[in-house]
Amino acid sequence: GDSVTQMEGPVTLSEEAFLTINCTYTATGYPSLFWYVQYPGEGLQLLLKATKADDKGSNKGFEATYRKETTSFHLEKGSVQVSDSAVYFCALSARGGSARQLTFGSGTQLTVLP
Amino acid sequence: SAVISQKPSRDICQRGTSLTIQCQVDSQVTMMFWYRQQPGQSLTLIATANQGSEATYESGFVIDKFPISRPNLTFSTLTVSNMSPEDSSIYLCSVRSPWTGEKTDTQYFGPGTRLTVL
Repeated sequence: GDSVTQMEGPVTLSEEAFLTINCTYTATGYPSLFWYVQYPGEGLQLLLKATKADDKGSNKGFEATYRKETTSFHLEKGSVQVSDSAVYFCALSARGGSARQLTFGSGTQLTVLP
Repeated sequence: SAVISQKPSRDICQRGTSLTIQCQVDSQVTMMFWYRQQPGQSLTLIATANQGSEATYESGFVIDKFPISRPNLTFSTLTVSNMSPEDSSIYLCSVRSPWTGEKTDTQYFGPGTRLTVL
C-alpha cells in the first residue's frame, strides 16, 4: 500500500539556519504530494503541494520539489524563524480510488531557538 | 480554500459518556473526512462521510463507537461513544476539493477538537 516516510525528529535549529526535512514515499501511479504544518495547539494547515513530477511547491519561504526518480518531496527553508516552530507532516494523495484519502508521515517536530 | 469550523474546540469528559463533535464548512463539499490524532502521533483516518449515504469506516473503527451523520453538503457530526481514556485525542474533520477552479484533490482541515477523557 501507499506509505510516507519522514525524517525523524525532533529537529532543533538556531534562528536563520537552513532547514531540510526529508520525505520519501511509496505509491502506485502518480500521487499528489503535500506538506502540512501544525502549530502548537492548532489544527493542520496546508503549507504547500505539488501534483506532478518536477513541480515545486512553495509558500512562506518553504519549498519542496516533487522528485519522481527518487520518490522524494523534501521540505526546505533557507532561513528559519522562531515562528516556524511546529510539527510538519508530509502526505500523499494517490490517484484512483473513490476516496483518495491522505496518507500521512509520522510528523517532524521542529523547534527554532532565538 | 474552504473555511472549516469545529465545535467544541476542546472538552474534558468522564469515562462512559459520549461526545458529539460538529464540523461546519462554508462551501458545499461532496466528501468530508474524520481523523484522529493521538498524543504525539500522526493522523489516522476514522471514516469518510458522503452526503446521502452511510459513512465508510477504516479498519479498526466501527460505527457503534464512532457514529457519523452527514445531513447536508456543509455539515457533519462525529460522536465518540462510551468513551475511555484511550479516546483522548484530537479529532479533526477535513474536506476535499476540487471546487471551482481547483483541479487537485487537496484536503483542508478544521482546527480540531481536543478531547480528554478522565
